[in-house]
Amino acid sequence: EADIYQTPRYLVIGTGKKITLECSQTMGHDKMYWYQQDPGMELHLIHYSYGVNSTEKGDLSSESTVSRIRTEHFPLTLESARPSHTSQYLCASSEYHPVNEKLFFGSGTQLSVL
Amino acid sequence: AQSVAQPEDQVNVAEGNPLTVKCTYSVSGNPYLFWYVQYPNRGLQFLLKYITGDNLVKGSYGFEAEFNKSQTSFHLKKPSALVSDSALYFCAVRSGGSQGNLIFGKGTKLSVKP
Repeated sequence: EADIYQTPRYLVIGTGKKITLECSQTMGHDKMYWYQQDPGMELHLIHYSYGVNSTEKGDLSSESTVSRIRTEHFPLTLESARPSHTSQYLCASSEYHPVNEKLFFGSGTQLSVL
Repeated sequence: AQSVAQPEDQVNVAEGNPLTVKCTYSVSGNPYLFWYVQYPNRGLQFLLKYITGDNLVKGSYGFEAEFNKSQTSFHLKKPSALVSDSALYFCAVRSGGSQGNLIFGKGTKLSVKP
């Protein structure tokens, strides 16, 4: 069982609200990721981090931002939510290893913006 | 550019029958290949990986996958399907020797009927 946690599990909010999706891992992993996934669809990488104070944009353009102040914590923030942000957001972590990069995923946050 | 294709949106099999979920890839250099499974309302879980060595790799829950370099494929297989195998399966690839991130396929829904 992976020790990576996401909160909240479900979130319904109104347009224009600022939200932060939380992700924490207790495995001491250096690398962390945020993926966006529509139901039953492929994963799109939106942000990742190699370690503390490192943040990178992923393959899919996103209006969200991330921070990495502590190794175990990688929150994602939307300054002004819109209905187009409705999706599932998956957080993952891995040891930073060029060969054996096995990802551990959280259970996800299902976001609905009304 | 790296890419991975899962040509089937859905695969239906009867319990006890063998199953195959297809995956083909395109990378420069040697590929690192992965299979992940997503059960309903859960995050993704690692199933197995191919880095180098034996073309047939064994993973969790009785699954295995065969790396075929000439066909650039990495199909997931199981000799005898269980109803509990019903889930969404994702193939992922990364170019060996690079520090790039995993690229995920769009997923294949496996439905195993009693």
